[in-house]
Amino acid sequence: DAGITQSPRYKITETGRQVTLMCHQTWSHSYMFWYRQDLGHGLRLIYYSAAADITDKGEVPDGYVVSRSKTENFPLTLESATRSQTSVYFCASRTGRSTDTQYFGPGTRLTVL
Amino acid sequence: DQQVKQNSPSLSVQEGRISILNCDYTNSMFDYFLWYKKYPAEGPTFLISISSIKDKNEDGRFTVFLNKSAKHLSLHIVPSQPGDSAVYFCAASGFGNEKLTFGTGTRLTIIP
Repeated sequence: DAGITQSPRYKITETGRQVTLMCHQTWSHSYMFWYRQDLGHGLRLIYYSAAADITDKGEVPDGYVVSRSKTENFPLTLESATRSQTSVYFCASRTGRSTDTQYFGPGTRLTVL
Repeated sequence: DQQVKQNSPSLSVQEGRISILNCDYTNSMFDYFLWYKKYPAEGPTFLISISSIKDKNEDGRFTVFLNKSAKHLSLHIVPSQPGDSAVYFCAASGFGNEKLTFGTGTRLTIIP
């Protein structure tokens, strides 16, 4: 299906475990982004990527790792999950123009026990 | 430091009336502003945008106003409909900036 998808949609894990959230887009957009949504904080940027093999930190990168070996995929890994990483995670993508629309995936709700 | 602020966490409006959502920003380098709408269990979707060379942009029932001197923008929805009940995020970016900075969101509830 065309668009931007995230998997899994829901995930429960334990403190200290490694978790990878997947993001896939079919538009060949050059830019991809990871956000987390928390009450009182809105949407905060974790990491973003301007193209394959180019990634950069956002506002809240600590505890997260990203990679982008292919244009269409942008996985987010929590190397050792903590309770403070319980959140809803959104992936987004857009073309190279900064004024073009940024499209969001449906989100992954992650709970760290 | 919150560069984009939405000071009203929630707003209730009667169906058919005008909804006004407000957003303030502190970074004078921001020159492009957007509103996104988010329903529960879905990702945000783009609603409307405005560049700093304009002070108003209209799209159907939605109008965004920008007051650069006050560093303030607002979204007007007229008339409000039940389907408008959602969380609204304002966002901003600077010229050539790759990233959007989002506000904390306002939950709009339209009362039938």
